[in-house]
Amino acid sequence: EVVMTQSPATLSVSPGERVTLSCRASQTISISLAWYQQKPGQAPRLLIYAASTRATGIPDRFSGSGSGTEFSLTINNLQSEDFGVYYCQQYNKWPPYTFGQGTKLEIK
Amino acid sequence: QVQLQESGPGLVKPSETLSLTCTVSGASISSYYWNWIRLSPGKGLEWIGYLSSGGNANYNPSLKGRVAISADTSKNQFSLTLTSMTTADTAIYYCASQLILRGVPQYLQSWGQGTLVTVSS
Repeated sequence: EVVMTQSPATLSVSPGERVTLSCRASQTISISLAWYQQKPGQAPRLLIYAASTRATGIPDRFSGSGSGTEFSLTINNLQSEDFGVYYCQQYNKWPPYTFGQGTKLEIK
Repeated sequence: QVQLQESGPGLVKPSETLSLTCTVSGASISSYYWNWIRLSPGKGLEWIGYLSSGGNANYNPSLKGRVAISADTSKNQFSLTLTSMTTADTAIYYCASQLILRGVPQYLQSWGQGTLVTVSS
């Protein structure tokens, strides 16, 4: 099973700032990596797939990078609506598909 | 845009069987792969399994034969059955559609809102 490790667990950032979230895979997964955003009481929303491709309707302040085992999600010009929990997920080796434990982004 | 909605009991007794249904709109159940995922405080997001457009299922080995996913194409629904429920199965259960590219399953494109299932006597 591919173990996905996210860091940090929690981030507190002011609006307008730039933030980078990290995700590491225990085995190489090429670019088969997706990022999701989840707000309380809502369904997870796909942000990024194939490590760096934005999903439909996602603002260009969200960007993803990485390949192999190291990945990151960067949010530029942080907006108040960007709070929530961010998860990475690998879809290269299954079963099972696996998720990171999440990074909780708090807005100062 | 694919939309999904989970339905089922919110409370299940230990040792009983959970049955959840996901109703799909905006796409045919014969397209995409159809997944179940759950979120619990102890385990975070855990993939349960998928049903392919061809009717084949693939499950998380950690669920050790307790899980089955099936579809009712006439109703454009797919279902999850999880037997021998314990308190460790208490979670929010989500259904999701999975994009297929050149025959290879990809990311989870659309998710339902989720349904909370509590296991308690």
